[in-house]
Parts: sequence; structure tokens; C-alpha cells
Amino acid sequence: EVRLVQSRAEVKKPGESLMISCETSGYSFSSYWIAWVRQMPGKGLEWMGVIYPGDSDTRYSPSFQGQVTISADRFGNTAYLEWSSLKTSDSAMYYCARPMGSDMLAGHYYFDSWGQGTLVTVSS
Amino acid sequence: EIVLTQSPGTLSLSPGERATLSCRPSQSLSSNYLAWYQQKPGQAPRLLIYDASRRATGIPDRFSGSGSGTDFTLTIRRLEPEDSAVYYCQHYDNSPLTFGGGTKVEIK
Repeated sequence: EVRLVQSRAEVKKPGESLMISCETSGYSFSSYWIAWVRQMPGKGLEWMGVIYPGDSDTRYSPSFQGQVTISADRFGNTAYLEWSSLKTSDSAMYYCARPMGSDMLAGHYYFDSWGQGTLVTVSS
Repeated sequence: EIVLTQSPGTLSLSPGERATLSCRPSQSLSSNYLAWYQQKPGQAPRLLIYDASRRATGIPDRFSGSGSGTDFTLTIRRLEPEDSAVYYCQHYDNSPLTFGGGTKVEIK
């Protein structure tokens, strides 16, 4: 069974750094891309970016390029999403998800498995 | 960037009725690269349909997807109380992939 288990909720102040995680099991982590998706309070879903743990090839949505860093530890079967300086506008639920599709490099993928989400609250 | 417009915003129906949800991309999708997700309050999204019409593993056949180009539909036959949720479409025709704004289905 494919499982994606995310780290607990976080409460941070503006300007602080943060790394949240997504630990996977039930499949070969290094052989599948893994993505991050944001959901702001009461809003829809936004694709942030994706990483291939096998070689750390990472692609970002233009909306999130330079705002976050996606990484992966292929030996620990875990993906990470990191901020160096949080803003109040980063307050949201963040999901990791496993993409599936015909051509990952061309962006032809949907998400067949999801983590439970990590709620990030940034407030002074 | 392809914008996905979902309608209606909210659908209020009784158990046993049929729900018809629309998703319209701002430009034609070349290969029916469209997925549908269900999200219940406090839960992560769940994949229902991919490639416009293929049901994901374990999804009841009450859920069906259809369409092509700039007009896609998710149909839920014989609504059940557990179908109360927000439904999102997502294209994966090119990057960046995007999601629609969602349709909320309420069961009376």
C-alpha cells in the first residue's frame, strides 16, 4: 500500500525558516516523482513543484520558483518543502502527492496518492 | 497558463439524483489530459478520474468522466450522502498544471 505521511502542523513567525516533510512507503521512492500542492484557507489547489528523488531533478511552478525549495532524501524515502523566510501569506495547508502519468518531464501527470497535509500558520 | 473554469459553484441535490459538474479549460487540451478529485472537509483530495474518463482504482462506477477539448464533465449518478464534497478538475496538458476553482456538492 502506498503511504505518504506528512509532518505535524507548524506555527511560525514571519521571517522564520521552516522545513516540512513527507515520508513515503509502499513503493520505490527513487523511481517516482513527488510533488507539493498548496491549499490556502478556504481556497483551491495550487501545484508548487515536483522532484525526482533518483537524481534530484526539480521543477517549480513559476508562481513558487524562488519562494520555496523542494528536496528529497532518497535513502530516507522522504521529500521536503522548505522556506528560508516565511511570510504571513504562506499560511496554508500543504500536501505532498505522488504524480502518475505518461510523461513527467512534459508535465503530463495527475496525482494518485496524497499525504494527509501539513497546516502551516505564520503569524506575529 | 491554462485556466480551468468549473461550474456551478455549488450544487444542491437530493440522494438518488444525478450531479453534472462542468470543467472548461481556457484552451483546448490536446490529449484529454484532465483529472477529477474529490475533497471532503478536513481531508486530502482523492483521485476519481484521470485521462478525462478513466476511473481511478476503487472508485465506484457511479462516477464517470467525459468530454474533450474545452468541455469536460464529471457525472455522479445516484447521489449518496457520502458524496458531499468539493470536486476539483486538474489539467496536465502542459506546465504549469493547474486546478479549477472547485464545485461544492451538497446533499439535501
